[in-house]
Amino acid sequence: AQSVSQHNHHVILSEAASLELGCNYSYGGTVNLFWYVQYPGQHLQLLLKYFSGDPLVKGIKGFEAEFIKSKFSFNLRKPSVQWSDTAEYFCAVNAGAGNMLTFGGGTRLMVKP
Amino acid sequence: DSGVTQTPKHLITATGQRVTLRCSPRSGDLSVYWYQQSLDQGLQFLIHYYNGEERAKGNILERFSAQQFPDLHSELNLSSLELGDSALYFCASSATTHSGGTPEAFFGQGTRLTVV
Repeated sequence: AQSVSQHNHHVILSEAASLELGCNYSYGGTVNLFWYVQYPGQHLQLLLKYFSGDPLVKGIKGFEAEFIKSKFSFNLRKPSVQWSDTAEYFCAVNAGAGNMLTFGGGTRLMVKP
Repeated sequence: DSGVTQTPKHLITATGQRVTLRCSPRSGDLSVYWYQQSLDQGLQFLIHYYNGEERAKGNILERFSAQQFPDLHSELNLSSLELGDSALYFCASSATTHSGGTPEAFFGQGTRLTVV
């Protein structure tokens, strides 16, 4: 069965700092990869996704992620975070049979103004 | 607004009771997924329906069941509730077919269930 690991459970940054959140998955075949964001009290929103092609994908709000197949990783990055980026971030994988998502445990990001 | 509507937003009920959570997918989406988000288990996939048929089951307890109706809305039924069932239950919909397609899911706001 596929699994997703997010190693950083809590991250605290100051505004303008750079962000990188790690995501590793375990599945040997073709995968579709996603990052979702959950702002306080809100639903999950898609930040970006990777299906195929260029392994560097750009999403909304200045986020990007890089798929490194050899490392089974799909890390999320943002060059300069803002206070409004305070949220919980989830990495997810869709692989194999079925279209359900397997989520990582989430990373809570707090950006200090 | 994702286009996915879940009701109710909050639900408080006693142990042993039964509740029904409702989800209306985005217009045109045939797939509905249910997820449970709890502090100890994180976000877990429960069940997937496509055009009225069950397609996949995840970590769904036997006390839980779901269905998708001809108008494509879905209901998640939770019975014999226990304290540990307290969680946020999300519904998501997508335009995927049962055999593939673009599996981008759009999530509703969730139903927060508190069992007391």
